[in-house]
Amino acid sequence: GESVGLHLPTLSVQEGDNSIINCAYSNSASDYFIWYKQESGKGPQFIIDIRSNMDKRQGQRVTVLLNKTVKHLSLQIAATQPGDSAVYFCAGSTGANNLFFGTGTRLTVIP
Amino acid sequence: DGGITQSPKYLFRKEGQNVTLSCEQNLNHDAMYWYRQDPGQGLRLIYYSQIVNDFQKGDIAEGYSVSREKKESFPLTVTSAQKNPTAFYLCASSIETNEKLFFGSGTQLSVL
Repeated sequence: GESVGLHLPTLSVQEGDNSIINCAYSNSASDYFIWYKQESGKGPQFIIDIRSNMDKRQGQRVTVLLNKTVKHLSLQIAATQPGDSAVYFCAGSTGANNLFFGTGTRLTVIP
Repeated sequence: DGGITQSPKYLFRKEGQNVTLSCEQNLNHDAMYWYRQDPGQGLRLIYYSQIVNDFQKGDIAEGYSVSREKKESFPLTVTSAQKNPTAFYLCASSIETNEKLFFGSGTQLSVL
């Protein structure tokens, strides 16, 4: 079956450093990916998405990199701030099929 | 102020009782979804709807029912047939199906 997961359940970074959160997927035909941020007790917040015809996409302080060869994507957060502390998870889909969601990485920013 | 509104934020269900979770959106999105979130697991799709008066089962539809009588509303009923209903329920909507979903703030359902 299709799966999308994350490499590490937790990640701690110093305030001001860059954060890299990783995600792997199993289906080489997956062609659409999304990153979400979820704070405790709240709904997920859309961060950025990317299609498989792209290798990189940038947003405000975030960059998503897609490596289709090894079926891996990453979310990079520049100059991490305390407000970035949350659970981050990726989701992917193949064609018009439903999204598969990963389990999440909890990012803790150390002041 | 556009967005997705879920209510209530907390809900308690007694044994054998059906409960309904509300989801309203004013984003004019065609597609709406219900997901269940359990600790340590990824979101799992319960039901989704691409258009008014139509909906499809997701991966874990058993024990749940939905309706889509209006574009703005997609209520979820957790029936007594759902034996393990305790979870955080999330409603979402999107312009295109399965792309760039926007989520509500969730409803925590617990069993008394």
